[in-house]
Amino acid sequence: DAGVIQSPRHEVTEMGQEVTLRCKPISGHDYLFWYRQTMMRGLELLIYFNNNVPIDDSGMPEDRFSAKMPNASFSTLKIQPSEPRDSAVYFCASSARRDNSPLHFGNGTRLTVT
Amino acid sequence: AQSVTQLGSHVSVSEGALVLLRCNYSSSVPPYLFWYVQYPNQGLQLLLKYTSAATLVKGINGFEAEFKKSETSFHLTKPSAHMSDAAEYFCAVSVNSGNTPLVFGKGTRLSVIA
Repeated sequence: DAGVIQSPRHEVTEMGQEVTLRCKPISGHDYLFWYRQTMMRGLELLIYFNNNVPIDDSGMPEDRFSAKMPNASFSTLKIQPSEPRDSAVYFCASSARRDNSPLHFGNGTRLTVT
Repeated sequence: AQSVTQLGSHVSVSEGALVLLRCNYSSSVPPYLFWYVQYPNQGLQLLLKYTSAATLVKGINGFEAEFKKSETSFHLTKPSAHMSDAAEYFCAVSVNSGNTPLVFGKGTRLSVIA
């Protein structure tokens, strides 16, 4: 399997622009997670899905952030409008439907908002 | 709610020396515990996990960790550091009830000096 695939790897945008991050989970995995990593806060869970349904979005910082999972093989995280404080590395991860199954992470999208 | 504390944001060891990365957890129910490693510009990879079987858990690359309930600890060790071990290490905790999202520590950066 190719693993979790994220695109783009790097995104540089200006404040106020819309940003869309994409994720393809590992085939057969029922859970998908979006994390944000910064120096100050470390890894923060933003939202996670089970069978394409959002289960917990309490980590989404503001209404500017939204996430969708239209099918089992694709998810997006959108920021509109973007702000400089959104600059971070955003990770997508997936896991199988088993207790204590490990997370498989993508290589992340490094977002820079100027 | 569960939480994880990693003592020391940066640890530096000489090549061939013992590696000890500390992790203490807080959980009201029996936990699952994990160590992940992150190399530069990559996502996190699972090193090892504790799931209430053996208290001493062996992982990849010669790492191991011991679960000590009395100390609420899950420290990561490796007898002899190698240059390739230089990376960021994250401890994480989950609870024994389905695919509850992992809660990560803030990470410890390991430097290995030649």
